[in-house]
Amino acid sequence: EAGVAQSPRYKIIEKRQSVAFWCNPISGHATLYWYQQILGQGPKLLIQFQNNGVVDDSQLPKDRFSAERLKGVDSTLKIQPAKLEDSAVYLCASSFSTGETQYFGPGTRLLVL
Amino acid sequence: RKEVEQDPGPFNVPEGATVAFNCTYSNSASQSFFWYRQDCRKEPKLLMSVYSSGNEDGRFTAQLNRASQYISLLIRDSKLSDSATYLCVVNTNNNDMRFGAGTRLTVKP
Repeated sequence: EAGVAQSPRYKIIEKRQSVAFWCNPISGHATLYWYQQILGQGPKLLIQFQNNGVVDDSQLPKDRFSAERLKGVDSTLKIQPAKLEDSAVYLCASSFSTGETQYFGPGTRLLVL
Repeated sequence: RKEVEQDPGPFNVPEGATVAFNCTYSNSASQSFFWYRQDCRKEPKLLMSVYSSGNEDGRFTAQLNRASQYISLLIRDSKLSDSATYLCVVNTNNNDMRFGAGTRLTVKP
């Protein structure tokens, strides 16, 4: 069974630039999560989708971050404009439904200069 | 108070040792609990779910204490390959998954 796919794996940008990350969850998984993991910390949930609807985006900095899952399958997370403190690994995870085991993708490592 | 708190460690133990990690959570209505393992520069992977009655998987034992709002992970007969960061995860009553900052374990020969 294919796992969660993410791209790109690495990205280096300058502050104030824009960046987008893509995630394709495990087939059949209704719930998709985006996490931000800063070095030395645990993953912090940014947004959770159930199919194409947002379940929780309380920790998403909405002035600069946006995410969509228009067809309820793959998802895109965007940062516009990026700040230095956005340097982190952005992890995508999916689960069959909410509250069940999450499977993580390899992450996108972002460095903002 | 943080929603999920863990001792960051690091825990440095010799091979064969028994080591235990605790994790406390603030939301008394939390529904489900997990331990994930994260290797350096890798994504987190589920180690085990934590059930009310406690559960064991080989050398790993997880316990839940709802009254005191903590979960624990016990690793017996530590192996070099157990070296990793162990993340405590709590699913709140809103189906929000909250991760602790992780406890780093290094098992030495």
